[in-house]
Amino acid sequence: NAGVTQTPKFQVLKTGQSMTLQCAQDMNHEYMSWYRQDPGMGLRLIHYSVGAGITDQGEVPNGYNVSRSTTEDFPLRLLSAAPSQTSVYFCASSYSMAGEAFFGQGTRLTVV
Amino acid sequence: QQPVQSPQAVILREGEDAVINCSSSKALYSVHWYRQKHGEAPVFLMILLKGGEQKGHEKISASFNEKKQQSSLYLTASQLSYSGTYFCGTEGYNKLIFGAGTRLAVHP
Repeated sequence: NAGVTQTPKFQVLKTGQSMTLQCAQDMNHEYMSWYRQDPGMGLRLIHYSVGAGITDQGEVPNGYNVSRSTTEDFPLRLLSAAPSQTSVYFCASSYSMAGEAFFGQGTRLTVV
Repeated sequence: QQPVQSPQAVILREGEDAVINCSSSKALYSVHWYRQKHGEAPVFLMILLKGGEQKGHEKISASFNEKKQQSSLYLTASQLSYSGTYFCGTEGYNKLIFGAGTRLAVHP
């Protein structure tokens, strides 16, 4: 099993550009989420999903969109990149809220 | 609202013990603990559910006091491999919210 796969691993964007961070899991997990990690801030929840077709906002959703058309995939879209979105992004999945979360290896995004 | 972790950083010699605390202003259903090594993804350590239970992982254990809305992670006889950043996460309304982390460095 691959677990949680994130692509790309690194990305540089110019201010105003848009892009999609991909996240796929092969464990048939219902619960998936996106976090961003900034120095001293820990992991902050951006958006999450409790199943296909169901998404909701986390702590810091502004500037990001998500959709969940399949159980396996949970892409994160940056609509118009800003330097404040420079961060490391982690996707995670778990069987349930009370279960172990498996994290992808992260995407390091720089917006210039 | 993020749970509050303390201390922010700990430096240990091999074999020493440490305690990391996690507290929340909201009622807790469960507390999750993860460890992240530099440049890597967070890795699951344990989950504690309501009931004040303790769990263990290697020489790492944790307690959960739901009345005080607090959890503590106990690292005994620390090893070099324990170095990293420890995060507690609190669950509520389908959201898993993490604290800012505690950086732990274990030296020989």
